[in-house]
Amino acid sequence: GESVGLHLPTLSVQEGDNSIINCAYSNSASDYFIWYKQESGKGPQFIIDIRSNMDKRQGQRVTVLLNKTVKHLSLQIAATQPGDSAVYFCAENMHSSASKIIFGSGTRLSIRP
Amino acid sequence: DGGITQSPKYLFRKEGQNVTLSCEQNLNHDAMYWYRQDPGQGLRLIYYSQIVNDFQKGDIAEGYSVSREKKESFPLTVTSAQKNPTAFYLCASHQGRTNTGELFFGEGSRLTVL
Repeated sequence: GESVGLHLPTLSVQEGDNSIINCAYSNSASDYFIWYKQESGKGPQFIIDIRSNMDKRQGQRVTVLLNKTVKHLSLQIAATQPGDSAVYFCAENMHSSASKIIFGSGTRLSIRP
Repeated sequence: DGGITQSPKYLFRKEGQNVTLSCEQNLNHDAMYWYRQDPGQGLRLIYYSQIVNDFQKGDIAEGYSVSREKKESFPLTVTSAQKNPTAFYLCASHQGRTNTGELFFGEGSRLTVL
């Protein structure tokens, strides 16, 4: 859903540990769910996506889990590194083609040395 | 290199003035989007366009206007009707035929109203 009026929650993780970032989405009819990473002062970058007919997808050091029952999405980052420090957003694509793409509220990930 | 170019990167405006932010893409993407981001917050959809000469309002379209006369270009005008225009504006594009949600973003334009 939207993040109007909300400030970003922060997740602090020890370097080398796994990170789990959570997101609740709003529309049970959404077809695609996407995770983006945004570094300070830059535009978001695509990390990984998952289609609504899947419940898990793995990439390089990242895994996305989708639970449609509770409309919950998570991003797992293995062996977190300093370069993973950023704000992470989930997004949902309301239809099967490019249409209204809505972003969630975001989580700031900070890495402890 | 293919990508999305936003300009200007920084812009200052006096109250009551309209300002236009440029967004150009050479990715041959069909769909283009404008989002607004306030400090420490998420992205909110202003307008989007799936094809040339067509666009739809997003969730916060009031005080903004767009045009899509060319496939490569999707300029955003922040009008004097926008009550709180100071923000970071992000333009994005989507291929439109891949059935995914992947957006390609520009580097953003930071607008400050003095």
